[in-house]
Parts: sequence; C-alpha cells; structure tokens
Amino acid sequence: DTAVSQTPKYLVTQMGNDKSIKCEQNLGHDTMYWYKQDSKKFLKIMFSYNNKELIINETVPNRFSPKSPDKAHLNLHINSLELGDSAVYFCASSQETGAQFFGPGTRLTVL
Amino acid sequence: AQSVTQPDIHITVSEGASLELRCNYSYGATPYLFWYVQSPGQGLQLLLKYFSGDTLVQGIKGFEAEFKRSQSSFNLRKPSVHWSDAAEYFCAVTPGQTGANNLFFGTGTRLTVIP
Repeated sequence: DTAVSQTPKYLVTQMGNDKSIKCEQNLGHDTMYWYKQDSKKFLKIMFSYNNKELIINETVPNRFSPKSPDKAHLNLHINSLELGDSAVYFCASSQETGAQFFGPGTRLTVL
Repeated sequence: AQSVTQPDIHITVSEGASLELRCNYSYGATPYLFWYVQSPGQGLQLLLKYFSGDTLVQGIKGFEAEFKRSQSSFNLRKPSVHWSDAAEYFCAVTPGQTGANNLFFGTGTRLTVIP
C-alpha cells in the first residue's frame, strides 16, 4: 500500500487555467504539507495543515489554496496558473513532530 | 531564521569508497534533523532522523549520521558506497516544537558513483 499518494503524476496546462493536485495519506497522520521543488531542486514549504490550523508560507501567492476534505486528504488548488508555477509539487504527512513522509510528486508544466 | 547549508553541490565517489556528505544548520535551539534521498524522478525517502539522545544515528541502506552540537553539523556517512546510492541527498531541519513542523531543506548534494 502506498503511504502518501498524489495524482496526477504529470500535469501539463496552459497559462491562466485552474488546476488541482490531490494528495492522500493512509498513515493516520495528523498533519499534512505541500512543498514546491523548483528547477534547481530546491524544496520549499508552501503549507502545513492539521485539524487545528492552516499555516501558510507568507511567500506563497494567494492563487494557491489547500483544501482538506478530511484528515487523510490535502488537495492543492491553483488558480490562474503562471509560467513560474512550473515545478514539482510534493505532498507529505507526519504525526505532529514526527518525521515527514513524502508522496511521489506531481510535475506541473505551465505552457 | 532557520537555515541549512550543504556546502557540496556535487560529489563523485568510486563504488566501494566511503562517503561523507556535509550539513550545517543555523538555529537557536537544537532542531530536529533529517536526511532524505531523492532518486531521479522520484519522491523523497527518509534515510534517518535525529531528535535527541545518542548523537550517532543509524538509518536505512547502511547510512549513519552524527550530530555535533558544537559544530552545528549533522553529516551523513556511509562506509562503502554502492552504485545504487547515486541520487540527490537533502539535509533538513524542523524547530522540533509541538504542532506542525515545516521542514527547511538544504540545497542538496548530488552524488555520482563511478564503477
């Protein structure tokens, strides 16, 4: 069983479109995260979310919004996609202060 | 603010040789420390972690890391590298407090293994 899964694995879209990436974890973890990995492989936190609060990295544009239908899912919605949004997006989960486990990533390409 | 430095962008070693990847962090207290590995086109896999206690931690795939508070370092080591170890390695820290803990990553070290 995959611990943290993401769909789709690849996403190619035009500028200005709205898209979503789904993330599910079956580890029973309390907290989920979204990270962005740029073309130079640098990883940066975008959001962290548990059942108490959403913490947003202040540098993330408000075109990005996480949505959590339940504790096992944290989806990422992106509005009005821009060329600079092209990156690999990783979902992760953890038990509060525990180690984070990552999904396989979604490569987003904006044309 | 937290920061993580991996001074080596790219390291090449021969198969069977020993390996040490460097990691230094900047943080007021002792953070939680991690090493992750990313193979091409793959997600990140946790190699090992340090929260407290014994400063030498063992991980998967024969890796170990040593926390040195005086040097603010958490270097990753392996006594004998295998060709399958070729990948990108990331050191990461979190504040280690209760609640969601965002990981702050270093810029990564790419490991090439030559036969």
